Amino acid sequence: KNEVEQSPQNLTAQEGEFITINCSYSVGISALHWLQQHPGGGIVSLFMLSSGKKKHGRLIATINIQEKHSSLHITASHPRDSAVYICAARGNEKLTFGTGTRLTIIP
Amino acid sequence: DGGITQSPKYLFRKEGQNVTLSCEQNLNHDAMYWYRQDPGQGLRLIYYSQIVNDFQKGDIAEGYSVSREKKESFPLTVTSAQKNPTAFYLCASRGPGVEKLFFGSGTQLSVL
Repeated sequence: KNEVEQSPQNLTAQEGEFITINCSYSVGISALHWLQQHPGGGIVSLFMLSSGKKKHGRLIATINIQEKHSSLHITASHPRDSAVYICAARGNEKLTFGTGTRLTIIP
Repeated sequence: DGGITQSPKYLFRKEGQNVTLSCEQNLNHDAMYWYRQDPGQGLRLIYYSQIVNDFQKGDIAEGYSVSREKKESFPLTVTSAQKNPTAFYLCASRGPGVEKLFFGSGTQLSVL
């Protein structure tokens, strides 16, 4: 059983919709990462969180340490946001990755 | 521009053959990592290196080998002992005291 679970696995939405991707983890962590994997395979780090909330442009990441849960939100979604979004939890010097959420934004 | 370069983008391995995947970074990062990505699974750590001339096994090191002779370079060799090598391989690096990981664009390895 993966210690990091993401939902949904796949998400298709219309351009402009508000998107939420969820990540739950079962281990104690020191940090949680949100990553974006483009269709070509390259990965970009979006956020690193240890508490609270971070915002960058149309992307917002939140984390609730007590509930062991993090969310990634995308406002005013655009087709260029189509990608796989991966969360990864750092605990005991080890990074454990979720299986990813494939997001498709339809024009 | 600083970054991580992986090559080749696509690689084919014949049975019994060793192949080497290249990873070069010009970010002056000490820590470098190799991950394997399979469909439907999260990234899994193969090997990592915190400093030149030192490296440690990750969760799935069997059938793989690495070297770290230079700070900039962390090549991964997929040996003939790796019986299921078909996967997407990603190299990453991290600066000292920094959590953010920088990833290369990956190498897709397939078996002929």
